Amino acid sequence: AQTVTQSQPEMSVQEAETVTLSCTYDTSESDYYLFWYKQPPSRQMILVIRQEAYKQQNATENRFSVNFQKAAKSFSLKISDSQLGDAAMYFCAYTTYSGGGADGLTFGKGTHLIIQP
Amino acid sequence: ETGVTQSPTHLIKTRGQQVTLRCSSQSGHNTVSWYQQALGQGPQFIFQYYREEENGRGNFPPRFSGLQFPNYSSELNVNALELDDSALYLCASSIQAGPQAGANVLTFGAGSRLTVL
Repeated sequence: AQTVTQSQPEMSVQEAETVTLSCTYDTSESDYYLFWYKQPPSRQMILVIRQEAYKQQNATENRFSVNFQKAAKSFSLKISDSQLGDAAMYFCAYTTYSGGGADGLTFGKGTHLIIQP
Repeated sequence: ETGVTQSPTHLIKTRGQQVTLRCSSQSGHNTVSWYQQALGQGPQFIFQYYREEENGRGNFPPRFSGLQFPNYSSELNVNALELDDSALYLCASSIQAGPQAGANVLTFGAGSRLTVL
């Protein structure tokens, strides 16, 4: 079974600084998707960034970028120029490539990101 | 376009009772999935419905059941409630090109908070 591990229960960063959230996963598949989701106090999970395993290039979305190391099964999220609105729980998630998503997403336990003004 | 809406937002039940949670998918989405998020944990996949049939299920007992309607809205039913069923229940919708296609991005609702006493 696939597992996703987030080893940092909580991280704190000063506004405008850069922070990196860690995620490792375990799978025997060669093709899969990895995601970072953000869950603010409003509870709604919001997609931050997605990476397809067959793509070697790291995904980037504005201030958010990932460091995808397939051999090491590592998928970290870097947030540049941190803003107060970035404060939330961040979840790393995995799903298999085919099957139309019927395997569901496997989530880590999350990292609580605090932004210090 | 409207997002994913869930009802009710909060509810309290007693052990042994039954509960129905409802979800309206984002316009144009044909697939819905449900997740259980216990306090302080990442969401866990319950099941997915595609074209009104369950096409994927996580490690949840049969007392967790669901329906998807022709308009792609969905229900989650839980029978014989247990204390451990207390959680946030998240619904997510997506567009699937087919059962063997690659997974697509999920759009989540804000969840229904269930408390079992």
